[in-house]
Amino acid sequence: AQKITQTQPGMFVQEKEAVTLDCTYDTSDPSYGLFWYKQPSSGEMIFLIYQGSYDQQNATEGRYSLNFQKARKSANLVISASQLGDSAMYFCAMREGGDMRFGAGTRLTVKP
Amino acid sequence: EPEVTQTPSHQVTQMGQEVILRCVPISNHLYFYWYRQILGQKVEFLVSFYNNEISEKSEIFDDQFSVERPDGSNFTLKIRSTKLEDSAMYFCASSDRTENTEAFFGQGTRLTVV
Repeated sequence: AQKITQTQPGMFVQEKEAVTLDCTYDTSDPSYGLFWYKQPSSGEMIFLIYQGSYDQQNATEGRYSLNFQKARKSANLVISASQLGDSAMYFCAMREGGDMRFGAGTRLTVKP
Repeated sequence: EPEVTQTPSHQVTQMGQEVILRCVPISNHLYFYWYRQILGQKVEFLVSFYNNEISEKSEIFDDQFSVERPDGSNFTLKIRSTKLEDSAMYFCASSDRTENTEAFFGQGTRLTVV
């Protein structure tokens, strides 16, 4: 069974600094996808970034990058140059085959 | 840009009543999901649906829940006899069949059971 762990219920970061949100996962399937979603206070789920289990390089999307350490089964999200609008809940998710399961989330607060 | 749409955005129902939450997934997607999020808490998987049948369901998805794809476009979640603890945001999502495709989420239906 899948298991996604986000150990940081809340994080604070100063505006313009970088922040790392942790995610570890557990699977015995060699083929899987890892995802990060952002949920602002308005409630919608916004896809941020994807990493495939066979990808050799870490994924990047603008200010978002995914620090993928396969042997450690971790997929941490790095947000560079934080902005006030980055304040939100962030969920890590893993997909094996068709199913996608989520971690408990990390609430990020960006301080001015 | 194609999107997942959910109706209604908010539904209030009396305990014990049946509710049907509706979703129109992205048209060429093959996997469909329902998730539940109690206010301020984690996104909980309910059920996944592929090829006109349930592919996986969680322990939350008991006999009071059912899903249906009544036609080529809609995907519904029915709760037969609502309880107070069913109050939550319900998200529908859809995705392509491969692992390397994200799930696209609808805006959610906020269900309030009184």
